[in-house]
Formats: sequence, structure tokens, C-alpha cells
Amino acid sequence: NAGVTQTPKFRVLKTGQSMTLLCAQDMNHEYMYWYRQDPGMGLRLIHYSVGEGTTAKGEVPDGYNVSRLKKQNFLLGLESAAPSQTSVYFCASSDPREFAFFGQGTRLTVV
Amino acid sequence: DAKTTQPTSMDCAEGRAANLPCNHSTISGNEYVYWYRQIHSQGPQYIIHGLKNNETNEMASLIITEDRKSSTLILPHATLRDTAVYYCIVRVPSYSGAGSYQLTFGKGTKLSVIP
Repeated sequence: NAGVTQTPKFRVLKTGQSMTLLCAQDMNHEYMYWYRQDPGMGLRLIHYSVGEGTTAKGEVPDGYNVSRLKKQNFLLGLESAAPSQTSVYFCASSDPREFAFFGQGTRLTVV
Repeated sequence: DAKTTQPTSMDCAEGRAANLPCNHSTISGNEYVYWYRQIHSQGPQYIIHGLKNNETNEMASLIITEDRKSSTLILPHATLRDTAVYYCIVRVPSYSGAGSYQLTFGKGTKLSVIP
């Protein structure tokens, strides 16, 4: 019963580098989400997806891209990382009327 | 879109009931109230949700006022492990108009359970 798995758990990037965060869920959920959380702040929605092949912008989408080529996977990309993107990233999945399951987070530091 | 208002922080004595309030005065008729919590830096954890009626599960009780403009999460016997940030969320339609629902988190209430 893996639930929602995020890869990697920790990463340090240099400014300008690119990377992709992977979120995988094994619950056949339709909806998937990417959030970021900065110290002392609540979670802020970056992008979300309501089904395979669909994505939509959330509250803070700038500097990020996403893809949902397979139902079970939701990828978050940073094309040119900036120090302002240092954060903890959480992925979640849910069915439309059910509650969301969250991953354990990815701690990203951009230096 | 309905938004929620929660106190920034609360204290509760261990073994006592913790009552966490949430205001959602602009909630619409088909929106549910959800509660999550986040312990330290872990991923948020679902607690309970409801539409109109009061709800109870093994973790907590949810009391929703008759006009649905506010709710209270009750942890009946708080323990030190209940120290966490508690988020009250109202589901809103997506901006794309697809009829789907985002989860939008505020800053939540930091509950400290005191020995």
C-alpha cells in the first residue's frame, strides 16, 4: 500500500539547472496536485490535473511546468531553477469527491 | 470561491478536548468542509469531512452550523501526538470550468497540546 510516492526526497540544485520531480500514485485516482510549502506558510497550489492528459494552473504556477501522460504519474518540472523555488514540494491525489492523499514531500534547495 | 478563516494558534491541555473553529461564511450549497492536519514537516493527513450533518470518525468529530457558515473540529481527548497545524478547507470549482475541484489550503491553526 504505497499510496503517493514522491521522488526524490531531497535535492540540491544550482541556479539555472533543471530538474523533474516525480509523483506516483497507485490508487487509480483521477485528480493529482502539486503544492509548495515555504517556512511558516500554508500549502500553495502550483498545478493540478483532473485526468490523464490534462493539466491546469493553480495559485503559483510561474516557473513550473507539469505533465500527466499516465494516470498514475504527475511530473513537475523546473526548467531553470531559481533560489526563490527553494521549498518543500508536496504531491497529492484524490478522487473527485473523496479526500486527498499526500506524499511525504521533496525538499528542494536552489543555491 | 469560498474562503476559510481560522485562528493562527491554539493551546490545549493533554487529555482535554480540542475545539478548532473555522469560518466559511461564503460557502455554497454543494461545497464540502474538509479538515486536514500536518504534523511537523510531514505530508498533510486527512481527518474528516462533511456537508451539512455532524460527522464523527475514529479521529475526530466535525460540527457544522445549521447555516453552514462555520464549523468546529473536535479532538475529544487531545494527546501530544495531536500537536500539528490543522487546515480547514472548502472545496471550490476549478478555474477551467471543468467542474472539478481544487484543494486550496490557508495557513491553518497551529495546535499545541500541552502536557
